[in-house]
Amino acid sequence: NAGVTQTPKFQVLKTGQSMTLQCAQDMNHEYMSWYRQDPGMGLRLIHYSVGAGITDQGEVPNGYNVSRSTTEDFPLRLLSAAPSQTSVYFCASSSPSGGAPHTEAFFGQGTRLTVV
Amino acid sequence: AQKITQTQPGMFVQEKEAVTLDCTYDTSDPSYGLFWYKQPSSGEMIFLIYQGSYDQQNATEGRYSLNFQKARKSANLVISASQLGDSAMYFCAMREGGNTPLVFGKGTRLSVIA
Repeated sequence: NAGVTQTPKFQVLKTGQSMTLQCAQDMNHEYMSWYRQDPGMGLRLIHYSVGAGITDQGEVPNGYNVSRSTTEDFPLRLLSAAPSQTSVYFCASSSPSGGAPHTEAFFGQGTRLTVV
Repeated sequence: AQKITQTQPGMFVQEKEAVTLDCTYDTSDPSYGLFWYKQPSSGEMIFLIYQGSYDQQNATEGRYSLNFQKARKSANLVISASQLGDSAMYFCAMREGGNTPLVFGKGTRLSVIA
């Protein structure tokens, strides 16, 4: 029962490097999202997807790209890493049925990213 | 506009006492859900409790209860009989109806003192 799996757990990047944070879920959830967590800021939404082939921007999308080619996977790409992207990244999935808001989100374990 | 407001950056509570963590929200959608998550020092996000906007009764889950005051747009989390293991960050979150994302407050750090 894997749930939501994020890889890697830790990553150090140099400024300007690119990388992809992986997120996979095995619960057949339609809804997936990426958040970043910074001290005192809570969790802020980066991008989200309501199904394969559909993505949308959240509160802080700049510097990040996403795609959703399958139901299971929702990778987050950092195009050119900056120190301001140092953060803890969480992937979450849920399955709101018929637009009802009641389903909780299941979270991955997080990726701690440091950009130097 | 901030949709979820948690005004208590940090709280202390004595072991075995009850504690209330505040959360206010803002929405014009009549259909919405309110959630509380716990994040211990290990970092994972743990779902605690859910309250729907149409629910007539306050939600309860073990030692957790949600004091839902719809007219005041507040959804406070009450933890009864606090335990040392309750020390953690607590986040209030809301999802409006439709395919909308979960929006979080900034969190409250709870410290339980022996």
